[in-house]
This record gives sequence, structure tokens and C-alpha cells, in this order.
Amino acid sequence: DAKTTQPNSMESNEEEPVHLPCNHSTISGTDYIHWYRQLPSQGPEYVIHGLTSNVNNRMASLAIAEDRKSSTLILHRATLRDAAVYYCILIADYKLSFGAGTTVTVRA
Amino acid sequence: EAQVTQNPRYLITVTGKKLTVTCSQNMNHEYMSWYRQDPGLGLRQIYYSMNVEVTDKGDVPEGYKVSRKEKRNFPLILESPSPNQTSLYFCASSSSPLDTQYFGPGTRLTVL
Repeated sequence: DAKTTQPNSMESNEEEPVHLPCNHSTISGTDYIHWYRQLPSQGPEYVIHGLTSNVNNRMASLAIAEDRKSSTLILHRATLRDAAVYYCILIADYKLSFGAGTTVTVRA
Repeated sequence: EAQVTQNPRYLITVTGKKLTVTCSQNMNHEYMSWYRQDPGLGLRQIYYSMNVEVTDKGDVPEGYKVSRKEKRNFPLILESPSPNQTSLYFCASSSSPLDTQYFGPGTRLTVL
């Protein structure tokens, strides 16, 4: 199964952008890249996903490298409510594999 | 309100005493799955189900059973719980594995 690698933690100041990297060097052509986040004491929630092209939604942007071996989740203006664990996962077939994720801390 | 519900939310039990954690969704989703979350390990998939009567193993299925007799329900069964199954458990559902996963609130299980 293709795996992802993320930094353990990142810090940001409120109102500043946050760029969360994810490496997935063994990605296959049919793997979708999904991002979820988990707020304290809650279940994970969907953030964004993509296959090859960059994607934008109201929560974030997803930039996918041309070779698809890495991607970056961009939170354009971090707020205190964005403090969470962010998971980058690859989805192929029917199994989902989450890693340990990146813990994002936002300073006021 | 579209939601995934789990019961119980908290459970303390003893080794060997069979237990079931229920999961129900009201979104008519085909795909359902169970995860456990342990410190430093993220979420690991236990079992998943593509549809009624169709289930398959995830990454950590040992010690667990599931059933999918109805589309809305996907119970997780621990026939003989052991302390290493102490964990936070999440159920999730979606239209398909590639679609948005909706997670339940979690069940914190402690096996003494």
C-alpha cells in the first residue's frame, strides 16, 4: 500500500498562511490524495481531495506536484480554530490508511 | 440531521467479556468502516464494508468481528477483549471509499 510521510508538527501565527507538506513517493496513478483534520476530542473531518490538478474549496487549497509524489495543503489564513491534527491519506481500492498526521498549533 | 452515531461513547470492561459497539448512519451510505486511534499511531482501519453482507479486513483486524446485516448499521464486536484493545474507536460512513468520510463521535474503550 502506498504510504504518506508528514512532519510531526508545525506552528503558525494567527492570520498567517500554513503550508502542510505530504510526501507520497510510491503513489500510483489511481490513488486519490485526501486530507482530513481532527479537532481536539472530535472525529476526523474532511478537508479537501484531489487527483492531479490543484484544488480549492472554502476551507483550504491543495497543491499537487506535477509528478504527484508530494502535495501541500494550504490554509490561507490560520485561525485558532484551525489547530488540529491534519492527515494526508491516499485512497485506492477500498482501504483507507491514515498516518500519524501533522499537529498544527496556531499562536494568537 | 445527517450523522453517524456510536454507542456507547465510553466503556470500561474486563478481559474476556464480550462487547459490541454499535454504529449507525442515516445517510444511506454504502461504505462503512471502523478505525482505532492510539497515541502516535494515527487512525488504523480495522474493518470496512462496501455494502450489506460485504465486509473485509483493514490493517488491524485481529481480535475484532463486524457484521453488516442492514445498510445503516455496522457493529463492531470484540468476542474476548484484551487490554491491548484499549483505544479510541471511530466509525465512519460514505457513499464510496473515494467520497467524503463522515466520522462518528468516537467510543473510548478501556479493557482492564
